[in-house]
Amino acid sequence: DVKVTQSSRYLVKRTGEKVFLECVQDMDHENMFWYRQDPGLGLRLIYFSYDVKMKEKGDIPEGYSVSREKKERFSLILESASTNQTSMYLCASKYQGLGGNTIYFGEGSWLTVV
Amino acid sequence: AQSVTQLDSQVPVFEEAPVELRCNYSSSVSVYLFWYVQYPNQGLQLLLKYLSGSTLVKGINGFEAEFNKSQTSFHLRKPSVHISDTAEYFCAVSDDREGKSTFGDGTTLTVKP
Repeated sequence: DVKVTQSSRYLVKRTGEKVFLECVQDMDHENMFWYRQDPGLGLRLIYFSYDVKMKEKGDIPEGYSVSREKKERFSLILESASTNQTSMYLCASKYQGLGGNTIYFGEGSWLTVV
Repeated sequence: AQSVTQLDSQVPVFEEAPVELRCNYSSSVSVYLFWYVQYPNQGLQLLLKYLSGSTLVKGINGFEAEFNKSQTSFHLRKPSVHISDTAEYFCAVSDDREGKSTFGDGTTLTVKP
């Protein structure tokens, strides 16, 4: 089975702190994604990556950056956390190529910024 | 550009009743369509997907969906729901041009005893 593992399920951080959310997948997927999930807003794409060291902005990249130094690992960085970044963050991955490939999600990371 | 509209944000239903969760999409090219389910405090998992061929797609847990190209819809159905089907359901669309998918806002299905 495909496994997408997010390192932290629940985090509480202070305003202004630098926050790292880590994600690892074990299926050699080329594409990896970070989404943010908020009630009533569905899933919003923050950043995605087609390959190592490749990244592209999604729909809501402001306040976030990403790093992909190895194929299996995709990190989301909040340079200076703010209270409006309190949310559930979902990492996902899939094979590149056909658009019909299934996306595999991690369990999510609940971030609270106080 | 792609877009997905899930027409109902909340669907309450009694156990053993049938249910339909509605999804409309728009795209300028041929698309692939998906339904994902998210149980409480978990990530999303694939329920079913339409790639090509038969417009009626069967998925896990007794769910099925029908692709209707003329109405640009991909509604999800189950003839008899269980308490355990209580979850949030997301419709999604993708195509071969981009590597990313577009998700709807989700429909919360609540099954009551």
